[in-house]
Amino acid sequence: EVQLVESGGVGLQPGRSLRLSCAASGFTFDDYTMHWVRQAPGKGLEWVSLISWDGSNTYYADSVKGRFTISRDNSKNSLYLQMNSLTTEDTALYYCAKSGNGYIHFDYWGQGTLVTVSS
Amino acid sequence: AIQMTQSPSSLSASVGDRVSITCRASQDIRNDLGWYQQKPGKAPKLLIYAASTLQSGVPSRFSGSGSGTDFTLTISSLQPEDFATYYCLQDYNYPWTFGHGTKVEV
Repeated sequence: EVQLVESGGVGLQPGRSLRLSCAASGFTFDDYTMHWVRQAPGKGLEWVSLISWDGSNTYYADSVKGRFTISRDNSKNSLYLQMNSLTTEDTALYYCAKSGNGYIHFDYWGQGTLVTVSS
Repeated sequence: AIQMTQSPSSLSASVGDRVSITCRASQDIRNDLGWYQQKPGKAPKLLIYAASTLQSGVPSRFSGSGSGTDFTLTISSLQPEDFATYYCLQDYNYPWTFGHGTKVEV
C-alpha cells in the first residue's frame, strides 16, 4: 500500500525557515517524480514544486522560487522541502504527492502537514 | 504562467443530475490537463488525466473532454458521494497551475 507521511509543520514567525519531510513507502520511491502542493486555509490548491526521480530536475511555483528548495534522498525514501524567508502568505497545509507513470500526476497524496506563519 | 479559469465556482445539484464543470486555459495546453476531487478535510483524489483518461478505480459516471484551451468534466448522474470540490490542473508547462475550484453542493 502506498503511503506518504508528511511531517515538520509548525507555527512560526515571518522570516524564519522550516524544513518539511515526506516519508514514502509501498512503492519504488526512486522510480517516480514527486511534488509538494499546498492549500491555504479555506482556499484552493497550489502546486509548489516538483523533483524528478533522480533529483536532477526541479521546478517551482513563481510564489516560492528563490525561497524554497525541494530535495530527495532515495536511500531513505524521503522527500523534503526547505522553506526560507517565510511570509504569512506561506501559511497552508502542505501535501506531498506522487506522480504515476506517463501522464498520471498526483495519483497518491499524503495527509498534509500544517505550516502557520504569523507574528 | 498559464491561467486556468474554472467555472462555475459553485453549483447546486441533486442526486441523479448531470453536472458539467469547465476549465479554460489562457493558452493552448494540448490535452495536458487533469481533474481532481477533494472532500472536506481530505487530500485530493485524481479522477481524470490527459484530459479524458479515467484513472483506475474511478467510476465511469465521471468523464473528461476537451483539448487546446477548453475542457469539461462531466458527472453523468450525480451520486451522494460526489458532493465535493473539483479542481483542474494544467501540466503542460511550468509552473503547473490549478483552477480555483468548483464546489458541487446539494
